[in-house]
Amino acid sequence: AQSVTQPDIHITVSEGASLELRCNYSYGATPYLFWYVQSPGQGLQLLLKYFSGDTLVQGIKGFEAEFKRSQSSFNLRKPSVHWSDAAEYFCAVGAGSGGYQKVTFGTGTKLQVIP
Amino acid sequence: SAVISQKPSRDICQRGTSLTIQCQVDSQVTMMFWYRQQPGQSLTLIATANQGSEATYESGFVIDKFPISRPNLTFSTLTVSNMSPEDSSIYLCSVDKGASTEAFFGQGTRLTVV
Repeated sequence: AQSVTQPDIHITVSEGASLELRCNYSYGATPYLFWYVQSPGQGLQLLLKYFSGDTLVQGIKGFEAEFKRSQSSFNLRKPSVHWSDAAEYFCAVGAGSGGYQKVTFGTGTKLQVIP
Repeated sequence: SAVISQKPSRDICQRGTSLTIQCQVDSQVTMMFWYRQQPGQSLTLIATANQGSEATYESGFVIDKFPISRPNLTFSTLTVSNMSPEDSSIYLCSVDKGASTEAFFGQGTRLTVV
């Protein structure tokens, strides 16, 4: 069975600073990988996804993530954080045909942005 | 993409009662999913609902507690039965369009059991 680990429960960064959120996965085959963001009181919004091809994936809101098979990682990055980025971020792995049979989420990383 | 509407958006319920949550999608989808997000926790898949067949439940979830209906390709309901305070969570409906292989989520139903 697949699993996802987000080692950082809570991260605080200054506005304008760079950001990297860590994600490690476990899955026997090539995974489908996702990053979702959940703002307070909101549903989940997809930031970006990796299925195959270029290992550096660009997403919305200036986010990017890099798939590193050798490290089983899919870390999320942003060069300059904005106050509106404060939210909870979930890494997820999809498995099965088309990746939709089962999506497993990590425990989430809560991002705080300080002025 | 898919637009998902969940009702109610929130509710406060008495223990021992049941609540049915509705999920409406703006297009036909094969699979619909129900997740639970307990306070401060990640999302846990409750069950997968395929139109025309019984829902498939994940370990730790049973049909008597979380009965699911899937009467057509755009609608599903999840009932939380005989509620206790431990059922206080956000319940989210999710769909997958197949070809895109990403999951779309509703806004969730925030349930508080008192």
